[in-house]
Amino acid sequence: AQSVTQLGSHVSVSEGALVLLRCNYSSSVPPYLFWYVQYPNQGLQLLLKYTTGATLVKGINGFEAEFKKSETSFHLTKPSAHMSDAAEYFCAVSDRGNNNDMRFGAGTRLTVKP
Amino acid sequence: DAGVIQSPRHEVTEMGQEVTLRCKPISGHDYLFWYRQTMMRGLELLIYFNNNVPIDDSGMPEDRFSAKMPNASFSTLKIQPSEPRDSAVYFCASSLHRLAAEQYFGPGTRLTVT
Repeated sequence: AQSVTQLGSHVSVSEGALVLLRCNYSSSVPPYLFWYVQYPNQGLQLLLKYTTGATLVKGINGFEAEFKKSETSFHLTKPSAHMSDAAEYFCAVSDRGNNNDMRFGAGTRLTVKP
Repeated sequence: DAGVIQSPRHEVTEMGQEVTLRCKPISGHDYLFWYRQTMMRGLELLIYFNNNVPIDDSGMPEDRFSAKMPNASFSTLKIQPSEPRDSAVYFCASSLHRLAAEQYFGPGTRLTVT
């Protein structure tokens, strides 16, 4: 069964600094990988996803993630943090051929300091 | 589209009472998911449906929890009797039937059991 591990339950950066949120996955087959964001008092919404092809995936709000099979990683980055990026971020994995079995990581709370 | 609709947004009840949470998925979506989110346990998948049929309810904590989907546009999650440890935010999500399909989350129902 697939699973994801998010390293660091809390990450704090200064406004304008690089954002790096880490995600490692475990899957017996090449997976589909997702990043979701949750703003306070809201549901999760998709930031980006990797399915196949180009390993660098660009998402909304300037975020991107790179699929690295050799490292079983899918880290999320943004070159310059904005105050509005403060939220909780979830990495998720879905087994190919089974779109309903999506497993979420524990989440990383991002704080952006002025 | 209005997105996934959940009601109520907040529910406060006393221990032992029955609680019913409601969800209207996005029209045309084949899958419906119920999740529970707590600080301690993160985001947990409780049950999901495909074409109104429950597929996997292994995440349902115990017999006090039940879920139904009588038609494609409505689902309920019932807790009877409720206990303080059921206090959490409950999310409903829906998705299309295709590989790597995004799950669309509702705003959640914040349940407090006193």
